[in-house]
Amino acid sequence: GQQLNQSPQSMFIQEGEDVSMNCTSSSIFNTWLWYKQDPGEGPVLLIALYKAGELTSNGRLTAQFGITRKDSFLNISASIPSDVGIYFCAGPLRGNNDMRFGAGTRLTVKP
Amino acid sequence: DGGITQSPKYLFRKEGQNVTLSCEQNLNHDAMYWYRQDPGQGLRLIYYSQIVNDFQKGDIAEGYSVSREKKESFPLTVTSAQKNPTAFYLCASTERSWDYGYTFGSGTRLTVV
Repeated sequence: GQQLNQSPQSMFIQEGEDVSMNCTSSSIFNTWLWYKQDPGEGPVLLIALYKAGELTSNGRLTAQFGITRKDSFLNISASIPSDVGIYFCAGPLRGNNDMRFGAGTRLTVKP
Repeated sequence: DGGITQSPKYLFRKEGQNVTLSCEQNLNHDAMYWYRQDPGQGLRLIYYSQIVNDFQKGDIAEGYSVSREKKESFPLTVTSAQKNPTAFYLCASTERSWDYGYTFGSGTRLTVV
């Protein structure tokens, strides 16, 4: 099925640096979701976006719903070691029973 | 506290065996889902259920079966027909089938030995 294209696949950064990642699709989405998965655990919802152009923050995390509704961006400012994990974008293509996920961006933060 | 509990955390299966993964939620959520996660890939939907006694196939249902006899329980059976069952399995739920805020369990890692 239709998957979301997420980039970069992995990032190795120094503690304190800012991080940017994005998610694109050839299809229009009306909702974009960003999840974080810690090793060996299930994903946890970070931010949900419901309107084109919307910019939403959750602490040091900021996500944007692209104007075209075919992309979304996640930024993390002043990274810390506990930011390590896999970040997934997701969106319901035709409803909640058709949720599509990106392959994830694996973030490593070096102290 | 409410949440989703998956068990066991780790499961080893011999080839040709069926195994059942447990998923229980006390969130009073209507909809429940099973996803499979493989390294470097997005989550793929196996089965979902919007209400008790009803469930639908997802993208990769072959070799799997489910039941939804109770609202809080949605067990997944990995049958011997599943040719490549080694993966991380995630269960999720939402309050309503149109609610986009999934709550995930902590997963079960299945390994075929």
